[in-house]
Amino acid sequence: NAGVTQTPKFQVLKTGQSMTLQCAQDMNHNSMYWYRQDPGMGLRLIYYSASEGTTDKGEVPNGYNVSRLNKREFSLRLESAAPSQTSVYFCASSWDGGQFRGANVLTFGAGSRLTVL
Amino acid sequence: GDSVTQMEGPVTLSEEAFLTINCTYTATGYPSLFWYVQYPGEGLQLLLKATKADDKGSNKGFEATYRKETTSFHLEKGSVQVSDSAVYFCALSALNSGNTPLVFGKGTRLSVIA
Repeated sequence: NAGVTQTPKFQVLKTGQSMTLQCAQDMNHNSMYWYRQDPGMGLRLIYYSASEGTTDKGEVPNGYNVSRLNKREFSLRLESAAPSQTSVYFCASSWDGGQFRGANVLTFGAGSRLTVL
Repeated sequence: GDSVTQMEGPVTLSEEAFLTINCTYTATGYPSLFWYVQYPGEGLQLLLKATKADDKGSNKGFEATYRKETTSFHLEKGSVQVSDSAVYFCALSALNSGNTPLVFGKGTRLSVIA
């Protein structure tokens, strides 16, 4: 049972380059999320998708775009990478009937470490 | 808005010491509360949760009690092991607030030395 799979695990970009982080889950979860983790800042939500076909901004959406390709896949795109986007990115998913209320539990991927030079 | 405040780390303990990591929250309504753990090089995973006041979540020797009167959810373990070295995150899920994802604290790094 793979859970949440993120690719790539590591990536180095130059300022201005673009790239897409891929995320897929095999648990039939409705909701998917992208977080970034920075030292001293904890986890900050970038975008989320409550259900297939919907996406919403989180706390730090600027400089990112997302696509909920289908129920399994949720990608994060950096159109023009900046050094401030150097971070570890985590994808997560949860089953909660399409809503966030209640005792939802997130399953996280292993993370993608991105460095922007 | 909803928020979670954790004690700042890092916390360094000797093996078999008692652990407390403080967590307080601010939320409207009656949230569900969680502790997640992140081992080195891995993603976060759920450690325990509590969904209503006075509930106690427990797992792997860790415990936390949902205290509505003090808006707290402190994590405790009676005897830590080297294998407990990790970063611990407190989080809440707000009820009756529409589509609002989990809110995380900033994390507390625990190092246990033999």
